[in-house]
This record gives sequence, C-alpha cells and structure tokens, in this order.
Amino acid sequence: EPEVTQTPSHQVTQMGQEVILRCVPISNHLYFYWYRQILGQKVEFLVSFYNNEISEKSEIFDDQFSVERPDGSNFTLKIRSTKLEDSAMYFCASRSQTTLSYNEQFFGPGTRLTVL
Amino acid sequence: KQEVTQIPAALSVPEGENLVLNCSFTDSAIYNLQWFRQDPGKGLTSLLLIQSSQREQTSGRLNASLDKSSGRSTLYIAASQPGDSATYLCAVGGGYNKLIFGAGTRLAVHP
Repeated sequence: EPEVTQTPSHQVTQMGQEVILRCVPISNHLYFYWYRQILGQKVEFLVSFYNNEISEKSEIFDDQFSVERPDGSNFTLKIRSTKLEDSAMYFCASRSQTTLSYNEQFFGPGTRLTVL
Repeated sequence: KQEVTQIPAALSVPEGENLVLNCSFTDSAIYNLQWFRQDPGKGLTSLLLIQSSQREQTSGRLNASLDKSSGRSTLYIAASQPGDSATYLCAVGGGYNKLIFGAGTRLAVHP
C-alpha cells in the first residue's frame, strides 16, 4: 500500500544551524502539508502546498521556514536558523484530489528534531 | 478561530468494553472530520474520514458520527482489545483542508 515516507527519522542539530527535513508523498497526490507536534502538545498545522506554491500557512511558519518541491517526488521543509523551541516531531502529509475520499490526509511517520 | 476539544483526556477500560470518545469543535463550517490513532512516539494512522455532508462512517469495530450543527463527533469502539491502546486524535478540515487537531484521548485497554 502506498505510504508517505520521511527522512531522517531523528535529527539532532545545534541552535542556529539550518536543517532540511525530507518527505516523499504518495505518488499521485497533489496537496502536501507539514505539521508539527511539540512533546505533550497538540499537532499543529504549519503549511499547505499545491501546484508548486504555498496555499496557506500558519503564524508559526515565519520567514525562518520554507518549503520546496525540488523534483517530482520530494517535498522538503527547511528551517534556516533553528531555535530551541523548534524541537518537535515534524509530520508530512499528502492528499489526492482524484479518489472518492479525496480529502483524506495521509501522514508520514515523522522526523523528530532535537535542537541543542 | 477553530478550536477542537476532546473528552475525556484519558480513559482506562477492561478488555471487551464498548466505549465512546468525544470530540467537539467551535466552528461548524468544516469540510470534513478525520479520526487518527497515534502510538507513543509514532506517526498518525488515519482511522476514519467523515465528509461534511455525511452523518457517520464505519470501519470494522469503529464507528464515527458527525453532527455539524452542534459541533460534535463521536468515535465508538466496539469490543475493545488491548491492541486498541493508543492516543486517538480528532481533526477537523477547514480551508485548503488544513487539519485542526484536538489534544487527543489516551486510551488504555487492560486484559
């Protein structure tokens, strides 16, 4: 069964460093999302992406964050200068517009980001 | 601003019990509602999706209902098993289908 994959599963970085989190959405999906979950807190929406541009972003998604679909399969989240409070689990999700359940989102296993 | 609340925050039941998890949301203008399961330290597994025009969805021992006008959804789990132990998350879909999540109900089913 097709699934969303994410790499790495765990990333440790020093404060101020740049990190890139990678996702491979399900191949025929058209809408892509990033969410994050700080330990013990709710899952929070960061950004949605469609047709090679951001369709919506949250207040969390400031100019330190960027997303890109560099080729036909990958979807990346970049944090330019990490802060301690960026430590969280980051989830990628995708959805299709071509199936009956077109707005069901499928999530990847997450990348745990630890900023020291 | 959409707010999603889940009650109870935690639940512990003996194996075999039928149980109901509750989700409420403040803005009834939703596109859909999705229930997820999350195991500790893991990703989100989609359980059921209810479109805004639907009243309920069923998958195996799970049944989810939606009452948009009152801003409520319930997840019914029949004949609970220890393997059902996890956190159950409710999420409502809004514009561009971004999901707004509740804090979850942590379920423990003991043998």
